[in-house]
Amino acid sequence: GQQVMQIPQYQHVQEGEDFTTYCNSSTTLSNIQWYKQRPGGHPVFLIQLVKSGEVKKQKRLTFQFGEAKKNSSLHITATQTTDVGTYFCAGNQAGTALIFGKGTTLSVSS
Amino acid sequence: ETGVTQTPRHLVMGMTNKKSLKCEQHLGHNAMYWYKQSAKKPLELMFVYSLEERVENNSVPSRFSPECPNSSHLFLHLHTLQPEDSALYLCASSQEMRFVQYFGPGTRLTVT
Repeated sequence: GQQVMQIPQYQHVQEGEDFTTYCNSSTTLSNIQWYKQRPGGHPVFLIQLVKSGEVKKQKRLTFQFGEAKKNSSLHITATQTTDVGTYFCAGNQAGTALIFGKGTTLSVSS
Repeated sequence: ETGVTQTPRHLVMGMTNKKSLKCEQHLGHNAMYWYKQSAKKPLELMFVYSLEERVENNSVPSRFSPECPNSSHLFLHLHTLQPEDSALYLCASSQEMRFVQYFGPGTRLTVT
């Protein structure tokens, strides 16, 4: 069945360093979504990518969707302590429910 | 955010108890979901309802029984649970199945 793999599982950075998490699917996706879950909170939608090769930015966050629509990445420039949490990617094929990756948990020390 | 609400927020139950988790969405969505989140398996999809019909049941033990009486409400009935069922149970909704999902705050369940 469809799988969405996410790496790394954990990442610790010093405040001000950059951070990247990668998402790979075993099948071509119709879209990919990214969510953030703060400690003690619930997943909150960040962004959706639909087009092959698409790049979107939200302030210090840059999201990319691969040309083959099988992989994606989230890059955070100059991390801040407010960036801590778990970042999930989620993808699906047409007509199916989202499949979530296992998430990357980011910790930031000041 | 109050689009998706869940009650109770915390629940402690014995293995012989019967309890129910409730989820309500105020977003006019057509799809609703139950997820189990634990340290070992971060987001496990349990059930999917679309237009009040169950469309996915991911090999969930029968001690978990979902109910979707209308498009705004979703229940998860629990009976004879095991300690390994202790987890955060998240409800989510979306306009349609492949659309953005909005999560509730979750119910933290502890089975003793």
